[in-house]
Amino acid sequence: SQTIHQWPATLVQPVGSPLSLECTVEGTSNPNLYWYRQAAGRGLQLLFYSVGIGQISSEVPQNLSASRPQDRQFILSSKKLLLSDSGFYLCAWSPGGGHGYTFGSGTRLTVV
Amino acid sequence: GEDVEQSLFLSVREGDSSVINCTYTDSSSTYLYWYKQEPGAGLQLLTYIFSNMDMKQDQRLTVLLNKKDKHLSLRIADTQTGDSAIYFCAETPTGGFKTIFGAGTRLFVKA
Repeated sequence: SQTIHQWPATLVQPVGSPLSLECTVEGTSNPNLYWYRQAAGRGLQLLFYSVGIGQISSEVPQNLSASRPQDRQFILSSKKLLLSDSGFYLCAWSPGGGHGYTFGSGTRLTVV
Repeated sequence: GEDVEQSLFLSVREGDSSVINCTYTDSSSTYLYWYKQEPGAGLQLLTYIFSNMDMKQDQRLTVLLNKKDKHLSLRIADTQTGDSAIYFCAETPTGGFKTIFGAGTRLFVKA
């Protein structure tokens, strides 16, 4: 069966520090991969999505970037975090074709 | 542009039915979804409906789709305290890779 792993679960980082969040999927190949951010008490904001290795689409201009070095690995990065980067980051995968998403358990990022 | 709107809060008594409503703007949406998020966790796909359907029932869950009014609803029968969570409505436009999510409805279930 397919599973998705996302880590770390919580992270407290100072302003200006770098960020790397990792997401891996098991049990499937060539998944569509997504990074979402959820601000406190608000909905989901799509940050990046990828339909294949090395293919990244950015939805919101900001100081975050994403990479897909392997088929089932999706990484969210920043060189210098801002206070406004705080939030709940969710990775998700989908086989496409309207079958919905499977979400990871999320990373709570607090920038101090 | 695409948009999904839903009310922010709903409070019901245990054992009553809950109805969570959602409106969407993209008439080309092929798939419409309901997700559940419990505190501190990711989202869990509850159910989905194709745009060529009017209703889908899955145990205690009933999804109704009114394509004319672009209105989607989720009915939870015999609501339990374990149903307390945030419920997200979402749509995927035809041929799209992206799913558009509403802001979520927080359901409170009173014992």
